[in-house]
Amino acid sequence: SQQGEEDPQALSIQEGENATMNCSYKTSINNLQWYRQNSGRGLVHLILIRSNEREKHSGRLRVTLDTSKKSSSLLITASRAADTASYFCATSRGSEKLVFGKGTKLTVNP
Amino acid sequence: DTAVSQTPKYLVTQMGNDKSIKCEQNLGHDTMYWYKQDSKKFLKIMFSYNNKELIINETVPNRFSPKSPDKAHLNLHINSLELGDSAVYFCASSLGLAGVVGNEQFFGPGTRLTVL
Repeated sequence: SQQGEEDPQALSIQEGENATMNCSYKTSINNLQWYRQNSGRGLVHLILIRSNEREKHSGRLRVTLDTSKKSSSLLITASRAADTASYFCATSRGSEKLVFGKGTKLTVNP
Repeated sequence: DTAVSQTPKYLVTQMGNDKSIKCEQNLGHDTMYWYKQDSKKFLKIMFSYNNKELIINETVPNRFSPKSPDKAHLNLHINSLELGDSAVYFCASSLGLAGVVGNEQFFGPGTRLTVL
């Protein structure tokens, strides 16, 4: 069954604003990853957070993980038009498959 | 110097036909995958191969048959195509098994299959 559920399904903001996307999952995990998909393209890995980590940064990206609530958030600061894409969380319980959520479609208006 | 490539990019065919999609990665990865993304953007794993061995088969109909002639290639053959097979199919690869830290997945550009 589907593991990750992103929220919101769609988000529209102005350039320069921050964008926050959330992911909830159902079972225990080893790690959680975020991927970006530009329209008509394949997914690109953004960041991975381990189950024993609470926060991780990469450039303008900040990811948090709350294993007690089985949720993660992806924050993109000072958004740019080029950040317009769909963002997916993917969870793993070990050395097996990644299970992807349905994604949040982010639109950053110039 | 494309990392993961797929051919063709678009495939339009009639119901009942047989078609193949090819995937190649030049990253030296051991693990390759096929995913199906439906019209609602839901991405679901179909198959996974590690060192040419099938390790995941996600209850995919027998009409779908993956083949890995070597670690750099994972092709997908589909027999007797149905309307419901219309989707975007993504190939991906990773250094090792999915979910292990350090084994981020690299995706191809996708093949949009339309069955008429």
